[in-house]
Amino acid sequence: DIVLTQSPGTLSLSPGERATLSCRASQSISSSYLTWYQQKPGQAPRLLIYSTSIRATGIPDRFSGSGSGTDFTLTISRLEPEDFAVYYCQQYGPSPITFGQGTRLEIK
Amino acid sequence: QVQLQESGPGLVKPSETLSLTCSVSTGSISTYYWTWIRQTPGKGLEWIGNIYYSGSTNYNPSLKSRVTISVDTSKNQFSLNLTSVTAADTAVYYCARPRGGSTGQFDYWGQGTLVTVSS
Repeated sequence: DIVLTQSPGTLSLSPGERATLSCRASQSISSSYLTWYQQKPGQAPRLLIYSTSIRATGIPDRFSGSGSGTDFTLTISRLEPEDFAVYYCQQYGPSPITFGQGTRLEIK
Repeated sequence: QVQLQESGPGLVKPSETLSLTCSVSTGSISTYYWTWIRQTPGKGLEWIGNIYYSGSTNYNPSLKSRVTISVDTSKNQFSLNLTSVTAADTAVYYCARPRGGSTGQFDYWGQGTLVTVSS
């Protein structure tokens, strides 16, 4: 199975700051198969980014994704209060589909 | 707007079978890879498996011996059976639908249902 390791585990920032979240894969993944989700307490995950860098419908352009091979990044350019949540990366190249353990983005 | 809704018992006894159904509203159940995912505090998000509307399935090897996913296109529903459950199967179970043409870009999710395995 491909293991996705997200860092940091927790990121403490203030509204208006820039957030950079990392996702590292245990083996190379096609950029087409790397996805990011946002999850708030008591809610299902919400699709943010697919194919490494394409924003899902309705996702603000302050969210961006990049990367290739084994290293992928989710960037939030200017944090809004509603962005504080847990973020997961996920790959669906070789089966099984796997998720990272998540990065918690908290208000500093 | 597609809506997914999980239903089933919230409490299952150890060694018994966990059974959940996902009802899909709006549109047809055809064309997509209908998926079950679970979430625990310890293991995080875990893909259980999926089923295509035609009935072909893919399962996580870690659960394959205990999992069956089925689909009922006439009712716009798909179901999960997980046998021989233990406390480790206690989780929030989600049904989800990926974007068309993909198996892993999940843009629609159910609200999730907590299933506790306990005697």
